[in-house]
Amino acid sequence: DGGITQSPKYLFRKEGQNVTLSCEQNLNHDAMYWYRQDPGQGLRLIYYSQIVNDFQKGDIAEGYSVSREKKESFPLTVTSAQKNPTAFYLCASSLDRDGGEKLFFGSGTQLSVL
Amino acid sequence: GENVEQHPSTLSVQEGDSAVIKCTYSDSASNYFPWYKQELGKGPQLIIDIRSNVGEKKDQRIAVTLNKTAKHFSLHITETQPEDSAVYFCAAGGYSTLTFGKGTMLLVSP
Repeated sequence: DGGITQSPKYLFRKEGQNVTLSCEQNLNHDAMYWYRQDPGQGLRLIYYSQIVNDFQKGDIAEGYSVSREKKESFPLTVTSAQKNPTAFYLCASSLDRDGGEKLFFGSGTQLSVL
Repeated sequence: GENVEQHPSTLSVQEGDSAVIKCTYSDSASNYFPWYKQELGKGPQLIIDIRSNVGEKKDQRIAVTLNKTAKHFSLHITETQPEDSAVYFCAAGGYSTLTFGKGTMLLVSP
């Protein structure tokens, strides 16, 4: 089955710890995205990548980092600089790197702070 | 940048009634307007989308209308069913990344 796989489904972070969320797609899509979802706040863009070895900051990139070494993979690291990391994190991909095409979303990772 | 406003935040209807969710956007350059449905604990799924060269699009019980002059677009669900209960998001974009509305929680009572 083609799709986007996010792991883990649940993740807990201790104070001062960096954690990495995994996102893998087998759709052969060029573009990949990370969104943060808070209750009542909709989806806010953290980072996106339109091509391998290149990525752009979204609206709320502070405290996060990404890499895009392979077309299939776009991991997100939540660093200790992100003071309010508790949220539902969604990874998405789209065929067209220039926008205007539908996004396919993964099933999300719920990150909580211990 | 783009700004998308979505109303209402919650909507309760009886099974069989129609539901309408409205969104406005700010950037006249936006030309792609999708709607996503998100069930609890899952990622959003595209249910319908429309581009700026058309005014209306239908898919069975779901329709979307677009008014480019007024910069607003709406989702219409007819003959609602309990399985339509979910959070619905509108979005606008098409020349770069999408900007999402804050969502509408639709509750359909049997």
